[in-house]
Amino acid sequence: EAGVTQSPTHLIKTRGQQATLRCSPISGHTSVYWYQQALGLGLQFLLWYDEGEERNRGNFPPRFSGRQFPNYSSELNVNALELEDSALYLCASTSLASVGDEQFFGPGTRLTVL
Amino acid sequence: AQSVAQPEDQVNVAEGNPLTVKCTYSVSGNPYLFWYVQYPNRGLQFLLKYITGDNLVKGSYGFEAEFNKSQTSFHLKKPSALVSDSALYFCAVRDGYGGATNKLIFGTGTLLAVQP
Repeated sequence: EAGVTQSPTHLIKTRGQQATLRCSPISGHTSVYWYQQALGLGLQFLLWYDEGEERNRGNFPPRFSGRQFPNYSSELNVNALELEDSALYLCASTSLASVGDEQFFGPGTRLTVL
Repeated sequence: AQSVAQPEDQVNVAEGNPLTVKCTYSVSGNPYLFWYVQYPNRGLQFLLKYITGDNLVKGSYGFEAEFNKSQTSFHLKKPSALVSDSALYFCAVRDGYGGATNKLIFGTGTLLAVQP
């Protein structure tokens, strides 16, 4: 069974540009979560999508947005990039069918903003 | 609000010795607790979880964790450490189930260093 995949592996942008990160969940999983792992800030919840809808977002500005497609893959868009957006962005998927299902994580996209 | 705390930034242990990585939690209601491991420049790998039932949970790679309700702890343990266990370990709690969030709330992480 294929795991969660993310692309690209690395992304280098300059301040003010836009970044698009992609995630494909495990087959059969309908929920996708995005987390930011920034140096010194730990793992922070960004967004949660389920069945194509945004269900919840973390304490991030509106320039962080995304969507989920009919095949349950997801995009994270970051507009007007700032230096502090440099981080590892992790995507996770899960099925809500069973109580306590764990989230399975992808390898992440390393975003560097220069 | 749900939270977890990992009081140790780093744990050092000699290969072959038992290891413990500590985690305490604060939740309203029943806790759903998880341990993940992260190797350098990699995503998180699931190790084990506690949802309900037996307080001793067994997981991947020989790891286990003990849920202690009275001490609100969920410490990760392994009887005999390997050098390859050296990594960053995260404790996490699920923020509700079937409700408004379902997100994971992570501790700050504990770096485990196993010396040969």
